[in-house]
Amino acid sequence: DIVMTQSPDSLAVSLGERATINCKSSQSVLYSSNNKNYLAWYQHKPGQPPKLLIFWASTRESGVPDRFSGSGSGTDFNLTISGLQAGDVAVYYCQQYYTSPFTFGQGTRLEIK
Amino acid sequence: QVHLVESGGDVVQPGRSLRLSCAASGFTFRDYGMHWVRQAPGKGLEWVAVISYDGSTKYYADSVKGRFSLSRDNSKNTLFVQMNSLREEDTAIYYCAKGNGESNPGIYYAMDVWGPGTTVIVSS
Repeated sequence: DIVMTQSPDSLAVSLGERATINCKSSQSVLYSSNNKNYLAWYQHKPGQPPKLLIFWASTRESGVPDRFSGSGSGTDFNLTISGLQAGDVAVYYCQQYYTSPFTFGQGTRLEIK
Repeated sequence: QVHLVESGGDVVQPGRSLRLSCAASGFTFRDYGMHWVRQAPGKGLEWVAVISYDGSTKYYADSVKGRFSLSRDNSKNTLFVQMNSLREEDTAIYYCAKGNGESNPGIYYAMDVWGPGTTVIVSS
């Protein structure tokens, strides 16, 4: 199984500042045939279902503000949230969909400092 | 509007069975792979299983393999998960989610639409 490891486990950032979450996979999730990284980022707020933010490691889902960006390739990925807003408080998960089981990272809790 | 709604969550005793349903609307259900994801109390998200657009391919997490079985009725736009031999550690909110791509078999995609979830509690 591919193990997804996020860092840090929790993060406190001031309003308007930048937050960066890292996700490492235990093996590459880059599919050479199409040069796509099978990596997604989700935002999960209490009492709501998770929300897809980023897929193919760097493609923003429709309707997601451009303050959210994804980067990385192979086994090392980042989610960056610029201009942090109060509504960004949530737990963020990375997930690989390269091979079953489609594992999630353990989650990163983002709070306002 | 694309919509998913889970149902069937309940309180059950260990060893018993339960079937969850996920009703889909607002998109061509038969064209997309569908997933189940769960979140146990105080824990993170756990991917449970996926079924291809036509039901021919299914994958399961090791924690549920042999006990859970996915199926779908494309004529009724409904996804199911039959959960047998339930354990206390299966207690969770169960979400169904739609894959965000149509290429055969519709499995290797992120999940772009999620239902609100249904709660399963396994307790004696």
